[in-house]
Amino acid sequence: ETGVTQSPTHLIKTRGQQVTLRCSSQSGHNTVSWYQQALGQGPQFIFQYYREEENGRGNFPPRFSGLQFPNYSSELNVNALELDDSALYLCASSLSGYKDEQYFGPGTRLTVT
Amino acid sequence: LAKTTQPISMDSYEGQEVNITCSHNNIATNDYITWYQQFPSQGPRFIIQGYKTKVTNEVASLFIPADRKSSTLSLPRFSLSDTAVYYCLVGGGLSGGYNKLIFGAGTRLAVHP
Repeated sequence: ETGVTQSPTHLIKTRGQQVTLRCSSQSGHNTVSWYQQALGQGPQFIFQYYREEENGRGNFPPRFSGLQFPNYSSELNVNALELDDSALYLCASSLSGYKDEQYFGPGTRLTVT
Repeated sequence: LAKTTQPISMDSYEGQEVNITCSHNNIATNDYITWYQQFPSQGPRFIIQGYKTKVTNEVASLFIPADRKSSTLSLPRFSLSDTAVYYCLVGGGLSGGYNKLIFGAGTRLAVHP
């Protein structure tokens, strides 16, 4: 059974640029959630996708967008990058149940300069 | 979703049992209590989940009193490799409609030899 994988591991971007982060779900999982974790803080929920549809969103602006593909892999896109977007971005996959355990990937460390 | 309060940090010694208490005074009837563990540069990892009374697995025990306004994570025979941040979360109830995890700042657990 393959776990959740994310790419790239690290990324450096300039303010105003756009970035795409990728996530491959654990086999058999149809739900993907994205979280942003600033240094020293807990992860903050960005949004969740279930069967290719956005299924819920946290308090993040529209420049944070996502996609989920038929194979349940996912992308997180961030436009017009700001310095405060520097963080660890975590992807988590799960089954669709409301209390099901979420399996996290190792994250992508994004630095915006 | 209910807010949780837990110690910012705790110290323990190798081989001892560690107990972390979390307060969640506004927990809803349908909410579950879940604990995650996060090592540096890794995504959070599910430890245990419960609704009431006591739950035990191969890693930890979770004690939940009748009023469910708090919970205690018990980690037996703590080792240096267990040094991590531990998060207490409540939610996942049916009212949410989707599985969104709300993380607080967590408890930084340091183990001394």
